[in-house]
Amino acid sequence: EAQVTQNPRYLITVTGKKLTVTCSQNMNHEYMSWYRQDPGLGLRQIYYSMNVEVTDKGDVPEGYKVSRKEKRNFPLILESPSPNQTSLYFCASSLRQGAVNTQYFGPGTRLTVL
Amino acid sequence: GQQVMQIPQYQHVQEGEDFTTYCNSSTTLSNIQWYKQRPGGHPVFLIQLVKSGEVKKQKRLTFQFGEAKKNSSLHITATQTTDVGTYFCAGPGGATNKLIFGTGTLLAVQP
Repeated sequence: EAQVTQNPRYLITVTGKKLTVTCSQNMNHEYMSWYRQDPGLGLRQIYYSMNVEVTDKGDVPEGYKVSRKEKRNFPLILESPSPNQTSLYFCASSLRQGAVNTQYFGPGTRLTVL
Repeated sequence: GQQVMQIPQYQHVQEGEDFTTYCNSSTTLSNIQWYKQRPGGHPVFLIQLVKSGEVKKQKRLTFQFGEAKKNSSLHITATQTTDVGTYFCAGPGGATNKLIFGTGTLLAVQP
């Protein structure tokens, strides 16, 4: 089944404790991205990747890191999480290079930073 | 920077009533996409519009792309409880490969 998976689905952590949210897709998609969703603000893009080893900042990249060592995986790293990073996070992928193609979203990761 | 706004932010309708959400971009868009997010779920692609003035229909849903390619609308005829959710528009972020999402419209349908 074609899908985007994220882990963990729920995470409660404390300020400053490094964490990684994994994202994997099995559709051989080139473009992958991370979004955060907050009430009243919609979906905001954090980082995106056009292909392996090619990543770029979205609109809200501060406090986040990503890597794209393999085509299928695009982990989101919070080196020193803070309470303002409490949010619902979605990973997404699309077939081709560029943002103009259909985005397939993962199920989401709800993160709480205390 | 580029902004994509949607109105209304929230709408509550009785089942059977019509519903419309509007999407306005601060810049011209090469295309626009619409997504639906059910409560507790993730966004799911509905449709993409590319041409100026384009109108597409999916059963009770009608999507329009403005002539100037800076605005779009989604109209639902005779809403049903299954239409409940948040509807987002999204467009490419200018010369970059970002995707800018609108703020979303939450639709509540009372049986």
